[in-house]
Amino acid sequence: NAGVTQTPKFQVLKTGQSMTLQCAQDMNHNSMYWYRQDPGMGLRLIYYSASEGTTDKGEVPNGYNVSRLNKREFSLRLESAAPSQTSVYFCASSEGWVSTGGETQYFGPGTRLLVL
Amino acid sequence: AQSVTQPDIHITVSEGASLELRCNYSYGATPYLFWYVQSPGQGLQLLLKYFSGDTLVQGIKGFEAEFKRSQSSFNLRKPSVHWSDAAEYFCAATYSGGGADGLTFGKGTHLIIQP
Repeated sequence: NAGVTQTPKFQVLKTGQSMTLQCAQDMNHNSMYWYRQDPGMGLRLIYYSASEGTTDKGEVPNGYNVSRLNKREFSLRLESAAPSQTSVYFCASSEGWVSTGGETQYFGPGTRLLVL
Repeated sequence: AQSVTQPDIHITVSEGASLELRCNYSYGATPYLFWYVQSPGQGLQLLLKYFSGDTLVQGIKGFEAEFKRSQSSFNLRKPSVHWSDAAEYFCAATYSGGGADGLTFGKGTHLIIQP
């Protein structure tokens, strides 16, 4: 099992450009999440999805859109990138809601994004 | 608002010495608590979690943590650290009944191991 995979590993964008970060999991998990990690800030939740076709906002959703394409894949889109979106983005998955069952979240290796 | 606080940004410990990383939470209800470790350039790996029951939780790599409701704490401990324990450690929390999902993370503690 590959677990949670993310592409690309690293990306440089210019302000105003758009891009989509891809995430896939092969653990048959229902819930998927996108976090961003900034120096000295820990991880902050951007969006999450409890199942295919459903998505909900997290703590810092502004400037992002997400798509739960199917049970395996959960993508994060930046429509018009800004320097403030320079960060490391982590995708995670869990069998169910972490907040109701104490499920373990499994994290991908991250995507480093630099917006100039 | 719910929050997780890790008071120590950096901690330096000699190899073979004991370790305690602090974590405090602010939640109205009893939260579910987690400790994750992140090696440089890597994703996060779960060390242990507290869901309910015994307040002393054993995890992987020889780590343990104790939930203390009276102190709103969930400190991580290891009796003897190894050089390979050098990493970033994150405490995280969530709770049921809030109508939302996901974890709230502390800002992390960077652990440095001295030879």
